[in-house]
Amino acid sequence: DQQVKQNSPSLSVQEGRISILNCDYTNSMFDYFLWYKKYPAEGPTFLISISSIKDKNEDGRFTVFLNKSAKHLSLHIVPSQPGDSAVYFCAAAGGTSYGKLTFGQGTILTVHP
Amino acid sequence: NAGVMQNPRHLVRRRGQEARLRCSPMKGHSHVYWYRQLPEEGLKFMVYLQKENIIDESGMPKERFSAEFPKEGPSILRIQQVVRGDSAAYFCASSPQGQGMADTQYFGPGTRLTVL
Repeated sequence: DQQVKQNSPSLSVQEGRISILNCDYTNSMFDYFLWYKKYPAEGPTFLISISSIKDKNEDGRFTVFLNKSAKHLSLHIVPSQPGDSAVYFCAAAGGTSYGKLTFGQGTILTVHP
Repeated sequence: NAGVMQNPRHLVRRRGQEARLRCSPMKGHSHVYWYRQLPEEGLKFMVYLQKENIIDESGMPKERFSAEFPKEGPSILRIQQVVRGDSAAYFCASSPQGQGMADTQYFGPGTRLTVL
């Protein structure tokens, strides 16, 4: 039962362009969403979050958009840099416990110079 | 301000041995979470603890796995009688607030367990 899905296993983007990573969820109890970046052999690094009372949150080059009716969120990275190349995970929480994050499978982003 | 610390970073065990994974949360954080990442998969929640309390263990296998977060010292994830299927990366995260509040979890570098 995959409650959080990242349907694109990989994404390749040119340096300076926009990267758009997508995430869908099925559990309507989720109301807090996070994006993490992960390099090989390291732990996930928190990037940005959004709660369901908002539809957009911005932090520097990173913007997260939330469409509650479609149960869809996306992460925009502008401009993309080679150092952004990593695996990106979306995660969701809510309902009876915020302690449990449910992760998607991840999207491998490659930014070419 | 040190981040979440995990040790060891790499652990090799033979089938049937015990594995002990340690996690020290960030300073000021009293909530600890354990996740497991199997090869080619996302992270899966295992257990959520506060000091001396297990809050949610819905992701823990029913047998051989246990976790604690004592009043003093790090959180420990213990796997008894390890099998090859336990080979994975185990990540610990911590947060300052916890249940009932939307809270960001900060992750440690992980422990990579290999069972021979």
